[in-house]
Order: sequence, then C-alpha cells, then structure tokens
Amino acid sequence: AQRVTQPEKLLSVFKGAPVELKCNYSYSGSPELFWYVQYSRQRLQLLLRHISRESIKGFTADLNKGETSFHLKKPFAQEEDSAMYYCALGAGSYQLTFGKGTKLSVIP
Amino acid sequence: NAGVTQTPKFRILKIGQSMTLQCTQDMNHNYMYWYRQDPGMGLKLIYYSVGAGITDKGEVPNGYNVSRSTTEDFPLRLELAAPSQTSVYFCASSYPGPANTEAFFGQGTRLTVV
Repeated sequence: AQRVTQPEKLLSVFKGAPVELKCNYSYSGSPELFWYVQYSRQRLQLLLRHISRESIKGFTADLNKGETSFHLKKPFAQEEDSAMYYCALGAGSYQLTFGKGTKLSVIP
Repeated sequence: NAGVTQTPKFRILKIGQSMTLQCTQDMNHNYMYWYRQDPGMGLKLIYYSVGAGITDKGEVPNGYNVSRSTTEDFPLRLELAAPSQTSVYFCASSYPGPANTEAFFGQGTRLTVV
C-alpha cells in the first residue's frame, strides 16, 4: 500500500527566510510525486511534479529514492506563499494518494 | 474557462436524507474522481471513473454511489446521510490518469450532516 507522510501540520517562517516542507512516501513501485497547493479561497492546484524537474514560483523539489523523500524547498519565502501544501504520490493509472497537508504561514 | 465545476458549495443535511453532489468538467477529460477531506486529514478517494459508463470504487466508497453517463458529468450520490459523512468533497478530472499528469480540482462542497 502507498502512503504519504507530511510531518508538519503548520510551518511558520519569516519573509525572506528559507522554506522546506517535508514529504516522505512509502511505495514499492516506481513513484510519481507531486506537490499541490491551495491558496486561501482558491481550489487545489498543481504546483510541480518531480518528473518536470522545474522551478515554479521559486519552489523546487527533488525526489530522493534512497530516503523516499520529496521535500519542497524555496530559498526566500514570500508572503504570497502562505497556503496549504499537499504532497501526493501517483501509483498506478488512477490512484493519487495525498498527505495530510502542511499549512505554510509566512510572517511579514 | 470553467474547468471543473461543483455544486452546491455548502449543504446541511439531516441524518437519513439523500442528496446528489454535482460535478461537471469541460476539458474532455476521461478520468474523473471524487475525494473527501476530513479535518486535519489528506484527501481520500471515494470513487473514480476512467470514461463514460465506467466507474469503480476507491478507498472509502461505503455510503456513496456514482454514475458516469457522459464524459462531462460525474455526480456523487449520498443515499442515507450519516454524521460520519460530514466532510469537504472534491471532484477532480485529468487526462490521462492523475499519476501521470495534472489533476484539475473543483472548488469543493462543504457538507454537514446533523
């Protein structure tokens, strides 16, 4: 069975400080990893996926198969980054397993 | 550019009542899903569909039914509402499956059963 763990419910950082949102997964197959974000009063939307290897809004995430992690990082937090962040694991053709989410609060 | 549209946004049901949560998408996606999100928890898959006329159970299907008569619509039916079904419900769609590409979500329906 697949599982996604986001250990922090809430993460508060000051504006300009580095951000790291942790995500660990458990899956016996070859994983597809995603980060979804939900800004206040908006719908859940894709932030980035590991296969794209791109930086979105300054965020990056590297898949570490040895540590089964897919942590989301940004060197300098901005106030507009405040949101709920969900790590998700794709397994099989239809299954997308979500973590419980981490609420990021950027303090001005 | 509507994307995925869910109705209603909010609903209060009494125990034992029935209701249908509507979901429609205009992106011609084959895959559609219903998730529920309980407070402090991640999204859990209720039902999914890989195309018109095809549906299958997800992780938490008990107490729900779905149908997929068209590519656009994927309604979720609660027959006998129970307090345990108090949750936020999200409909989503994708093409191809969500493990390979972006899933597009609706705004959510906040359901309270009292």
